[in-house]
Amino acid sequence: DAGVIQSPRHEVTEMGQEVTLRCKPISGHNSLFWYRQTMMRGLELLIYFNNNVPIDDSGMPEDRFSAKMPNASFSTLKIQPSEPRDSAVYFCASSYSVTLEQYFGPGTRLTVT
Amino acid sequence: GQQLNQSPQSMFIQEGEDVSMNCTSSSIFNTWLWYKQDPGEGPVLLIALYKAGELTSNGRLTAQFGITRKDSFLNISASIPSDVGIYFCAGLNRDDKIIFGKGTRLHILP
Repeated sequence: DAGVIQSPRHEVTEMGQEVTLRCKPISGHNSLFWYRQTMMRGLELLIYFNNNVPIDDSGMPEDRFSAKMPNASFSTLKIQPSEPRDSAVYFCASSYSVTLEQYFGPGTRLTVT
Repeated sequence: GQQLNQSPQSMFIQEGEDVSMNCTSSSIFNTWLWYKQDPGEGPVLLIALYKAGELTSNGRLTAQFGITRKDSFLNISASIPSDVGIYFCAGLNRDDKIIFGKGTRLHILP
């Protein structure tokens, strides 16, 4: 079975540009999670969806960040405009339900210069 | 907000030694999860614990869900070079929100 798929794996962009990260969860999983990982702050939950509906976006840093899940097999995390402090590894994870164990994708390493 | 205190932050051990790490909180959690992250990869689930007092093994790994529901422990026996990585604990709180610890970096000396 394919695991969680994320694209791109690496993204380098200039400050002010729009960045879109993509995620395909494991087929059959109903919950999808977006995380950000940095050395300073560790792994932070940004937002999660259940049955394609955003449930908790309290971890989204500010209005520059938005996430969508138009269907059960696709989600995007968008940063507009991007800033250097957004540089991090962004992970997508999915699970059968919110209360069950999550499976992580390989991550997107974002560098904003 | 709720926090998980994971310790130690890093460990340097000799190959073949046993490893112990733990995760504590002032709050109660309903589920404890242990993940391992290799460089350049996403965290991979090692063990999931669902009941207070539960002791679960996965090969050389053993994890326990603390009786108070405020802590969890992970032990690795007879460490090998491929055990190197970052180990994360995660807890699911009463609001069904998952909280991650900051990780324990395991280094193995040859």
